[in-house]
Amino acid sequence: AQSVTQLGSHVSVSEGALVLLRCNYSSSVPPYLFWYVQYPNQGLQLLLKYTTGATLVKGINGFEAEFKKSETSFHLTKPSAHMSDAAEYFCAVSANQAGTALIFGKGTTLSVSS
Amino acid sequence: GAGVSQTPSNKVTEKGKYVELRCDPISGHTALYWYRQSLGQGPEFLIYFQGTGAADDSGLPNDRFFAVRPEGSVSTLKIQRTERGDSAVYLCASSATGNEQFFGPGTRLTVL
Repeated sequence: AQSVTQLGSHVSVSEGALVLLRCNYSSSVPPYLFWYVQYPNQGLQLLLKYTTGATLVKGINGFEAEFKKSETSFHLTKPSAHMSDAAEYFCAVSANQAGTALIFGKGTTLSVSS
Repeated sequence: GAGVSQTPSNKVTEKGKYVELRCDPISGHTALYWYRQSLGQGPEFLIYFQGTGAADDSGLPNDRFFAVRPEGSVSTLKIQRTERGDSAVYLCASSATGNEQFFGPGTRLTVL
């Protein structure tokens, strides 16, 4: 069985500040891990994913995440927030095989103030 | 190329009615998924198709929900005897590789 916990339903940062969105997972098998972003009234867009190999994964829009097996974490970071980063962010896990469903966390709303 | 499309974008119906929600996946994607997203929650898995067959329907909440994909492309999610609790955004995703899913914009279903 798999599950995802996103700590903090709402995170507020100032423009230019570090963004840190937390994700912890539980999985009985080696996981695939994902971060998706959802802008208002739009579909989910993949930011980045970890499947195998390098544990530090870089994605679009300057975001990156690090898979830490010992901590069962996959936190999302960005060094400098932009106003355009304001959105809902979802962490997801699946089993490490093709065709399995994604299990999502409840999401974190990121607000960016000027 | 075109992404995943879903129609209608919004559907309002009355309790007890039957609804159909359509998903057009990215051309050539053999895997297709349906999810449901309730307000303030992350998407929840409903059903997964590989080609024409439902490979995993463990997320369907009850027998009022049914989905088909007769030709291995377009899929229809069918809900019978709708209830107010069915109100949510229904998301469709498709995949070629199996580990990256591309999502459509969703259909917002409101049951009055």
